[in-house]
Amino acid sequence: SAVISQKPSRDICQRGTSLTIQCQVDSQVTMMFWYRQQPGQSLTLIATANQGSEATYESGFVIDKFPISRPNLTFSTLTVSNMSPEDSSIYLCSVGLEGYTFGSGTRLTVV
Amino acid sequence: DQQVKQNSPSLSVQEGRISILNCDYTNSMFDYFLWYKKYPAEGPTFLISISSIKDKNEDGRFTVFLNKSAKHLSLHIVPSQPGDSAVYFCAASGRIGNTPLVFGKGTRLSVIA
Repeated sequence: SAVISQKPSRDICQRGTSLTIQCQVDSQVTMMFWYRQQPGQSLTLIATANQGSEATYESGFVIDKFPISRPNLTFSTLTVSNMSPEDSSIYLCSVGLEGYTFGSGTRLTVV
Repeated sequence: DQQVKQNSPSLSVQEGRISILNCDYTNSMFDYFLWYKKYPAEGPTFLISISSIKDKNEDGRFTVFLNKSAKHLSLHIVPSQPGDSAVYFCAASGRIGNTPLVFGKGTRLSVIA
């Protein structure tokens, strides 16, 4: 299965700022998925990133708040924009290649 | 509307006994089911999966059972070990790889020595 390198692993950010999370995959994959896990909650899909086209966002998530880039088949970024304390969560990327693999997650705290 | 449901938020089991974690789903288009284990501050770790054409899959101490007519699956861990203590997520997808996973809310398993 694929190996994903996700960074940063954690960050503490001021409200109103933005953070970009990166995921690098060791294999070429068509789809990458971005999830959020709020404290004590399940993993919720934010968007699906397909290389060469705009990401598809789930209900409740918008491109202005969570812009995604997918410049090639092994890399993607998710930006959390204009952050507020409600954005404090773990953010995870995932790929489906011989099963589903996840990055190690980014624990974001907004103060 | 929750498509994947784990109705037990927590479960305590004695070391050496069987742990049974349950999961129900509503979407009959799901084709592939997975169980993940998650520790705090880490990404989910894949445990075991089953496709809709099977009713059982076994890997060491872990066995997953699928009852399609009841839209129910369960994860059995035998024997349970203290290192199994974690949150377990049930997840489902349509066509594997090209569709995202839908997760249940998780069950926190505590294995008591």
